[in-house]
Amino acid sequence: ETGVTQTPRHLVMGMTNKKSLKCEQHLGHNAMYWYKQSAKKPLELMFVYNFKEQTENNSVPSRFSPECPNSSHLFLHLHTLQPEDSALYLCASRSSGSTVQFFGPGTRLTVL
Amino acid sequence: DAKTTQPPSMDCAEGRAANLPCNHSTISGNEYVYWYRQIHSQGPQYIIHGLKNNETNEMASLIITEDRKSSTLILPHATLRDTAVYYCIVRVATGDGANNLFFGTGTRLTVIP
Repeated sequence: ETGVTQTPRHLVMGMTNKKSLKCEQHLGHNAMYWYKQSAKKPLELMFVYNFKEQTENNSVPSRFSPECPNSSHLFLHLHTLQPEDSALYLCASRSSGSTVQFFGPGTRLTVL
Repeated sequence: DAKTTQPPSMDCAEGRAANLPCNHSTISGNEYVYWYRQIHSQGPQYIIHGLKNNETNEMASLIITEDRKSSTLILPHATLRDTAVYYCIVRVATGDGANNLFFGTGTRLTVIP
């Protein structure tokens, strides 16, 4: 248990569906991250939020839409995804002044 | 950020020390060496990090060579639960900012009973 939770843990969706992934941390951290990990590939950074402000969008397609309503919660809204978007989506958080990221368990997404 | 080179896979007998090497020959003076691991289908887990001195915590030891061009992560008594992919990452520790981590392909450590 890292203190970072993600729901749901598994998600199967069709290409026309709209779904959202949720990440929550109660560690008092101020930075939150979304990563994507496709099969047999390294983790890819998607989005970074610092104090609720998006500070990085790593050329992610617009069918992925992040939302950070407060420092404890991070969402990833999904719509009209493609089968190649099937992957493990990982959330992480970090305290300002620290360099260590704490990861959640991930959401295994399958797009049919 | 400096690139790192790690062997793709290693085996270690249960109960023995696992020594995982990492080369980072282009590391600059203000870059730290971080180690994370990822057990199958879980999120990465922070292990340890250091700048130039050797570091030890409850999970592992980190040995950094004097020229800082390579390092070794040591798991003193490997258990089956240590089977995972181990990532060596070199990064400036800015504290603020995005502090992004760039994960490579890592070393897949298999602990054998």
